Amino acid sequence: GENVEQHPSTLSVQEGDSAVIKCTYSDSASNYFPWYKQELGKRPQLIIDIRSNVGEKKDQRIAVTLNKTAKHFSLHITETQPEDSAVYFCAAMETSYDKVIFGPGTSLSVIP
Amino acid sequence: DTGVSQDPRHKITKRGQNVTFRCDPISEHNRLYWYRQTLGQGPEFLTYFQNEAQLEKSRLLSDRFSAERPKGSFSTLEIQRTEQGDSAMYLCASSYLQKNPQSDEKLFFGSGTQLSVL
Repeated sequence: GENVEQHPSTLSVQEGDSAVIKCTYSDSASNYFPWYKQELGKRPQLIIDIRSNVGEKKDQRIAVTLNKTAKHFSLHITETQPEDSAVYFCAAMETSYDKVIFGPGTSLSVIP
Repeated sequence: DTGVSQDPRHKITKRGQNVTFRCDPISEHNRLYWYRQTLGQGPEFLTYFQNEAQLEKSRLLSDRFSAERPKGSFSTLEIQRTEQGDSAMYLCASSYLQKNPQSDEKLFFGSGTQLSVL
């Protein structure tokens, strides 16, 4: 089955700097890659997603890139703000079973 | 509130007792997932449903865990003979999956049920 790895596990950046979180997946047939943000004590919420037929997608300060050959995808947050502090999870959807498998998460801290 | 709702929010039980959690998905969603999340970890897949059909149950899940979605609407997750290792946040999520034209598998999560086994 699908296995999703995520790095780094923790990340601290100064306000205004960029943050990058990287994920790898194992199943080359996976074709949908969402990113979720989970604030302390709250439910995970989708922030951006990408399909395997697209190499990059951007939504304001957030962008995701996908390299199908290398089986890795990344989340880029520019001009970070304190409210970006949260745990971020990448995920991959297995085409064969259509279930969504999550990575272990990255705890992002934006220092004012 | 038209989002995913879970009940109860918190459950404290003694080891060996049975517990049951309920999830009400977004009404038009045909997919329903159960995940388990422990502190500092990502959501771990447990099982999922397409309408009332259970499509897959994680191989990591023991026979003490069972889930149902009898009418393709709400779902229940039961844990029998609870163990301290079952202590976790149990998250439910729902989505609408359409094959043609293909939709995105955007999961909407509930607030979860925090289980503590003493």
